[in-house]
Amino acid sequence: AQSVAQPEDQVNVAEGNPLTVKCTYSVSGNPYLFWYVQYPNRGLQFLLKYITGDNLVKGSYGFEAEFNKSQTSFHLKKPSALVSDSALYFCAVKRLTGGGNKLTFGTGTQLKVEL
Amino acid sequence: DTGVSQDPRHKITKRGQNVTFRCDPISEHNRLYWYRQTLGQGPEFLTYFQNEAQLEKSRLLSDRFSAERPKGSFSTLEIQRTEQGDSAMYLCASSLVSGESPGGNTIYFGEGSWLTVV
Repeated sequence: AQSVAQPEDQVNVAEGNPLTVKCTYSVSGNPYLFWYVQYPNRGLQFLLKYITGDNLVKGSYGFEAEFNKSQTSFHLKKPSALVSDSALYFCAVKRLTGGGNKLTFGTGTQLKVEL
Repeated sequence: DTGVSQDPRHKITKRGQNVTFRCDPISEHNRLYWYRQTLGQGPEFLTYFQNEAQLEKSRLLSDRFSAERPKGSFSTLEIQRTEQGDSAMYLCASSLVSGESPGGNTIYFGEGSWLTVV
């Protein structure tokens, strides 16, 4: 079985400050890891993914994420937050082999960026 | 390059009625997925197709739910005898699976179809 934990329901940050949205995962074998963002009443937009290689992955809109195998984490980061980054963020995992190629999502973290 | 398209975006139906959602994936994508999302939760996997073949179904997909992808392009998700517990957003997604990195392909989601059962 595979699972994702997003320990924070909500993260508040001031505009211009760095942000971190936490994610830990559990999967047998090596994982594929993803971050998606969801704006109100919209579908999910892909931000970035980790497949293999460099542990620091860069994605859309200035976001990046760091894969840490020993801590089984894949935290989403951005050096300087914008009010427009306010949205619901989902971390997801796929097994490297088997698992039907399906994503398992966390429960999401609401990011609120304030002026 | 258009994204994943879903129709209708919103549907209100009475309990016991049947509803059908349509999904048009990104052109050339060979995998198509259906997920369900309820308020406060992450999307939950329902089923997926490789071309026209339905390869996996979740336990969440009761016998009232049926999905098809008859020609390997668009897909439909039908819910028969709807119940209030079926109220959710139904998300369709697609991806292009290649031999080089079959699991590393990105799954792209549509805008979702909201279902409200009254």
